[in-house]
Amino acid sequence: EAGVAQSPRYKIIEKRQSVAFWCNPISGHATLYWYQQILGQGPKLLIQFQNNGVVDDSQLPKDRFSAERLKGVDSTLKIQPAKLEDSAVYLCASSLVRGGTGELFFGEGSRLTVL
Amino acid sequence: DAKTTQPNSMESNEEEPVHLPCNHSTISGTDYIHWYRQLPSQGPEYVIHGLTSNVNNRMASLAIAEDRKSSTLILHRATLRDAAVYYCILRDFDGGSNYKLTFGKGTLLTVNP
Repeated sequence: EAGVAQSPRYKIIEKRQSVAFWCNPISGHATLYWYQQILGQGPKLLIQFQNNGVVDDSQLPKDRFSAERLKGVDSTLKIQPAKLEDSAVYLCASSLVRGGTGELFFGEGSRLTVL
Repeated sequence: DAKTTQPNSMESNEEEPVHLPCNHSTISGTDYIHWYRQLPSQGPEYVIHGLTSNVNNRMASLAIAEDRKSSTLILHRATLRDAAVYYCILRDFDGGSNYKLTFGKGTLLTVNP
């Protein structure tokens, strides 16, 4: 089966510019996650969707980050305006809501460099 | 989520077994123990999980202490492709409606040829 798709793989922007990342989860996975991974650290959850509703966005910096999941499938994460400390890999993951191992499937990530 | 403690790094030789420890002294009765690994420049991938009994799959084995306060991920014969950061994570099962993983820093495994 196809995995989680993310784009772009790499993005370089100047501070105060905006950027958007796209994620297409595995077909049939109702739950979608965005994680931020700063170099040398483990991934940190930014936001979790179930279908197109937000389950948890407690660690999302809402003054500059926004995310949406239209029609409960694809999702977009936006940063506006970007800061130097936003340089990181942004990982999208998806999972089945019920059943199975509850395993999360991750994409390869989008690496953001803010200059 | 309950916390886990892992060594920052470990080294192994190719084709030898590797035992990656994890301490989780505050684990609750409903916490599942999950292991993920992250190869260079890739997203994390699921390795194995368990609740009370030892578990085996094609990738690894998971040995869980009787009191559940610690566990060990066992790679039976390490290969160069097993070089990665290994994360031990506790996840509470809330009835199947909310799966969330909270990652720590993990253990960086280096495999020497």
